[in-house]
Amino acid sequence: GAVVSQHPSRVICKSGTSVKIECRSLDFQATTMFWYRQFPKKSLMLMATSNEGSKATYEQGVEKDKFLINHASLTLSTLTVTSAHPEDSSFYICSARSPVGKSWEQYFGPGTRLTVT
Amino acid sequence: RKEVEQDPGPFNVPEGATVAFNCTYSNSASQSFFWYRQDCRKEPKLLMSVYSSGNEDGRFTAQLNRASQYISLLIRDSKLSDSATYLCVVNSDAGNMLTFGGGTRLMVKP
Repeated sequence: GAVVSQHPSRVICKSGTSVKIECRSLDFQATTMFWYRQFPKKSLMLMATSNEGSKATYEQGVEKDKFLINHASLTLSTLTVTSAHPEDSSFYICSARSPVGKSWEQYFGPGTRLTVT
Repeated sequence: RKEVEQDPGPFNVPEGATVAFNCTYSNSASQSFFWYRQDCRKEPKLLMSVYSSGNEDGRFTAQLNRASQYISLLIRDSKLSDSATYLCVVNSDAGNMLTFGGGTRLMVKP
């Protein structure tokens, strides 16, 4: 099946700094990628939909100026958490839509665990 | 009301037991339904899609009841390796967005 990678897998940063997370589709081109956030013992919440070459669409309640998304190529989307605060500590997971098969089919990356101290 | 609701559990069952999870969804226009499995600190992985006619994959059986807007997952002959969180997922629009339930935690004991 399709493979999606994320980097880094784990990051610890100080409050006020920015962190960039990369999401790559390794063996297919993904015109659409999704960014999710998962707090402990909670479900995945969609943060934004990232489309190659255009601005991301953010879900209600997600600050676009704080969570910067760039989808500059068909295999790479990045999420930058700016001026991180401890409450931003979470598990961030990206997914990429399969270019073939069903339109809903998504492949998930392994996730990035962010801890803000 | 949440779009997709699940009993969070945990369900503690002995090996070999049969266990069933239910999930309800609020959007009657929902089109596609899935069960995902998520292990601790890992990404979710598709377990199976849920079809109107019901479908079975080995020890796993999924059912969809559109009239009552619920989805079920039955696991027979539980294995220790089945211990995980099972996420009910619904695709509610013509686009690509998936809505996740809160997950049901299963713990299979020896």
